[in-house]
Amino acid sequence: KQEVTQIPAALSVPEGENLVLNCSFTDSAIYNLQWFRQDPGKGLTSLLLIQSSQREQTSGRLNASLDKSSGRSTLYIAASQPGDSATYLCAGSIYNNAGNMLTFGGGTRLMVKP
Amino acid sequence: DGGITQSPKYLFRKEGQNVTLSCEQNLNHDAMYWYRQDPGQGLRLIYYSQIVNDFQKGDIAEGYSVSREKKESFPLTVTSAQKNPTAFYLCASSIFSNQPQHFGDGTRLSIL
Repeated sequence: KQEVTQIPAALSVPEGENLVLNCSFTDSAIYNLQWFRQDPGKGLTSLLLIQSSQREQTSGRLNASLDKSSGRSTLYIAASQPGDSATYLCAGSIYNNAGNMLTFGGGTRLMVKP
Repeated sequence: DGGITQSPKYLFRKEGQNVTLSCEQNLNHDAMYWYRQDPGQGLRLIYYSQIVNDFQKGDIAEGYSVSREKKESFPLTVTSAQKNPTAFYLCASSIFSNQPQHFGDGTRLSIL
């Protein structure tokens, strides 16, 4: 069964700093890896999705990488801003007869201080 | 605007009571999902449905029930058999079961 772990659980950085969030997964037969943002009391917003055949995806100041062999994905945030403060969740997908099943990590709670 | 609507935003349950959480989508998505999120934790899958009139148990289905009579609706009932129902419940949908999932804003359920 796929297990997904995120380290650190919480992170506090000053504004402007570049930072990396880590996600590790146990099953290398991953279909895709998704990064989500969750604001307090809200649902999830998809940030980036990396297919198993891809190595990275970029959107603005965000860059996500996927290394299936080592079971790791990273989310790089450049020039962090206070508006980036949120919880970031990664989810690995295994595709089987039941469809696209996501397994979530516990999240990293990010605070960017002005 | 297309999207997923969950209601109510907050819900309170008395002991021994069943409550139903609503999830409606107008994205014309075939697949729909229910997740539970406990404080400081990731999401766990309760039930999912790949198509109308079909649904499957997820990892933590005990104490919950669902129906999928219409493509756009996937209500979740938290039964009295669920002894620890206090959590944040999230509904999601995807165009097909192998496509990215889109999420609603959640329902927070508490015990009176």
